[in-house]
Amino acid sequence: GAVVSQHPSWVICKSGTSVKIECRSLDFQATTMFWYRQFPKQSLMLMATSNEGSKATYEQGVEKDKFLINHASLTLSTLTVTSAHPEDSSFYICSARTIAVIYEQYFGPGTRLTVT
Amino acid sequence: AQKVTQAQTEISVVEKEDVTLDCVYETRDTTYYLFWYKQPPSGELVFLIRRNSFDEQNEISGRYSWNFQKSTSSFNFTITASQVVDSAVYFCALRDYSGGGADGLTFGKGTHLIIQP
Repeated sequence: GAVVSQHPSWVICKSGTSVKIECRSLDFQATTMFWYRQFPKQSLMLMATSNEGSKATYEQGVEKDKFLINHASLTLSTLTVTSAHPEDSSFYICSARTIAVIYEQYFGPGTRLTVT
Repeated sequence: AQKVTQAQTEISVVEKEDVTLDCVYETRDTTYYLFWYKQPPSGELVFLIRRNSFDEQNEISGRYSWNFQKSTSSFNFTITASQVVDSAVYFCALRDYSGGGADGLTFGKGTHLIIQP
């Protein structure tokens, strides 16, 4: 149980284009989803928190107009990187939490984004 | 603000040796959770343990053990009789209720563990 998937697992896009990453909870309802970013050989940094049906809360220094997050249903959250640039190349990981177990986060396998 | 420090950037040991990964945390909250995750080269995080702030009992799971000491704000992880498959990056993480990041996790910088055959 408590499986989170991400799609795609990797993506290459050209500078200036937008790319969408999906995060799905497969066997539970995710009232809250989190998006993290991990640069090579670095730690995971929380980018934003989204609650179903509400606007996402972004961490300081994360551009909300560049990283659009939508959490329209209890099983799906999307992260859209708009006008991507090479410095956005990173490993993006989502996690999901159910209201029943508030101290637990279930992580997806991650999406590796390369912007050329 | 909450903070997690993993001072060991990289550790290299020979197979079958015991190894301890250090984790020191900072938080203003009295209620918090500590976690350890393993990240193999594939990138997917593997959950290892969760400990809440009111449970200071040490835990053992097979070759893995954890020592939680609130007096020193540490949550150290020991692998006994290490194996090559243990090679990965290990992250310690904290969830409390005082940070501005809602209740996302604060991760340490990670320790890259290399087990040599």
